Amino acid sequence: SQTIHQWPATLVQPVGSPLSLECTVEGTSNPNLYWYRQAAGRGLQLLFYSVGIGQISSEVPQNLSASRPQDRQFILSSKKLLLSDSGFYLCAWGAGKETQYFGPGTRLLVL
Amino acid sequence: AQSVAQPEDQVNVAEGNPLTVKCTYSVSGNPYLFWYVQYPNRGLQFLLKYITGDNLVKGSYGFEAEFNKSQTSFHLKKPSALVSDSALYFCAVRDRKAAGNKLTFGGGTRVLVKP
Repeated sequence: SQTIHQWPATLVQPVGSPLSLECTVEGTSNPNLYWYRQAAGRGLQLLFYSVGIGQISSEVPQNLSASRPQDRQFILSSKKLLLSDSGFYLCAWGAGKETQYFGPGTRLLVL
Repeated sequence: AQSVAQPEDQVNVAEGNPLTVKCTYSVSGNPYLFWYVQYPNRGLQFLLKYITGDNLVKGSYGFEAEFNKSQTSFHLKKPSALVSDSALYFCAVRDRKAAGNKLTFGGGTRVLVKP
């Protein structure tokens, strides 16, 4: 069966510091991968998606970037965090035309 | 373009009563439709989906949803709500030709089931 992991679970970072969040998927090959941000426990905003290694599509211009160095690894990064980057970050995977499955999330607090 | 509306921020229901969470959508072609549930500080859990076929879709934990093409709706229902159903519910839509199979989510509806 497929499993999706995210770490860390919680992160507190000062403004201006770098960020690296990691997402890995097990039990599937060549998945589509997605990064979402959820603010204030409500709606989800799609940040990036990837249909293959090295292929990144950005949905919203912002302070963040994404990379996919391996088939089942998706990384969300920032060189300098802003207060507005605080939120709950969710990674998801999907295969073909079907459902997206979500990881447990990373809660980021920027102070 | 694709969009989803969940008109109710919160739904309150007594335990044992029927639960309905509303969702309407807009896509340029035929939709794929999904419902997810989120418990506090957790990721989203998949409940059910409509891809094609029977308009009434049955999913996890006794939930079901009815696809209504003429009303562009996909309301989530449960005949008898449990206190443990209290959570945040998201409807999502995808146009069948959407690049990257991207989903668009509604703003979420918080369900509170009272004992």
